[in-house]
Amino acid sequence: EVRLLESGGGLVQPGGSLRLSCAASGFTFSTYAMSWVRQAPGKGLEWVSVISDSGGSTYYADSVKGRFTISRDNSKNMLYLQMNSLRAEDTAVYYCAKDGCSSTRCYINYWGQGTLVTVSS
Amino acid sequence: DIVMTQSPDSLAVSLGERATINCKSSQSVLYSSNNKNYLAWYQQKPGQPPKLLIYWASTRESGVPDRFSGSGSGTDFTLTIISLQAEDVAVYYCHQYYSTPYTFGQGTKLEIK
Repeated sequence: EVRLLESGGGLVQPGGSLRLSCAASGFTFSTYAMSWVRQAPGKGLEWVSVISDSGGSTYYADSVKGRFTISRDNSKNMLYLQMNSLRAEDTAVYYCAKDGCSSTRCYINYWGQGTLVTVSS
Repeated sequence: DIVMTQSPDSLAVSLGERATINCKSSQSVLYSSNNKNYLAWYQQKPGQPPKLLIYWASTRESGVPDRFSGSGSGTDFTLTIISLQAEDVAVYYCHQYYSTPYTFGQGTKLEIK
């Protein structure tokens, strides 16, 4: 059974930093691309970033480019999202998601339960 | 960026009837080299993460009831739910993974009439 468990969310002040983690299990982590998707309270889904199976390719939404960094540790089955220079508009539930393919051009087929990030003073 | 526009924003359908949700992309998501449409549909119920229903525009995910189907190509896509059940009440999203930044439609809220 695929399991994705996010952690690291919380309350942070504007301009601050936070690192989200996602522990993956139930599949061969190193053979799938992984993504982060967020959802602001009461709003729709917003794609944030994707990383290829090897970690060699990464892509970002324009809204987070230069501030967020996606990474993975295939030896630990872990996905990360380093978030810097946080803004109020980054407030959202952040979902860790498994892609259905090894390449980055793929649908998401599993989602974690999400972790809430609140940016506020 | 590819803009995904869903219609309608909300929809009320009677139990046992058909529900149709449309999704239009601002540019084609059909990749000519493999003839695949890079389009997926997700269902999200309150307090839950999204769930994959359809990928490659028309391939039903394993375990998804066959009353859900996807169709369309290029820029125009449709999610159809025949014989609506009470458990189908949710928000439905289309999603293009043809080119980054990947994008989602704004969502369609499906309710029971």
